[in-house]
Amino acid sequence: QKEVEQNSGPLSVPEGAIASLNCTYSDRGSQSFFWYRQYSGKSPELIMFIYSNGDKEDGRFTAQLNKASQYVSLLIRDSQPSDSATYLCAVKLTFGKGTLLTVNP
Amino acid sequence: DAMVIQNPRYQVTQFGKPVTLSCSQTLNHNVMYWYQQKSSQAPKLLFHYYDKDFNNEADTPDNFQSRRPNTSFCFLDIRSPGLGDAAMYLCATSRAPGDEQFFGPGTRLTVL
Repeated sequence: QKEVEQNSGPLSVPEGAIASLNCTYSDRGSQSFFWYRQYSGKSPELIMFIYSNGDKEDGRFTAQLNKASQYVSLLIRDSQPSDSATYLCAVKLTFGKGTLLTVNP
Repeated sequence: DAMVIQNPRYQVTQFGKPVTLSCSQTLNHNVMYWYQQKSSQAPKLLFHYYDKDFNNEADTPDNFQSRRPNTSFCFLDIRSPGLGDAAMYLCATSRAPGDEQFFGPGTRLTVL
């Protein structure tokens, strides 16, 4: 059974801080990794995808992938209250339960 | 704007009364997915279509069926809804299986 594990949180950070969200997965052969943001009562929206080991940056967001450790993370720099949401890690078609992030003004 | 549309946004049905949820897309994507998401849980993939090829997840109950009459539309049929089927149902699309997905707004199903 393919599994994607995330710390459910809540993760609370002050405005302007770096938020670090982590995800581990069980399928060693996985090739595609995604981070989605889901506001309460809304559907998921894609934040970033990463296919290769290393870092991928897009604005305030950085995705990090380590296939040897079966670990993917998302860093949010200069966190804003509008970043408060649940962040879902997805490995191909399997989603984690998500980490609830709260950014405090 | 290219998008994924789901109708209705809210659906109330009675225990055992068949219900159909609808999804349409203007992205011209090859793959359409249906997920079930319950409160504080991960979206759970029910099935997906890659073009006309139907791919059912092994643990999807027989009570759930799907139809894709053309590239743009996909339907989720729940033949005999139970109380445990109350959830948000999400439709998503992608260019190919495993690519980044674009989600519709979801349909929240209530079973009385």
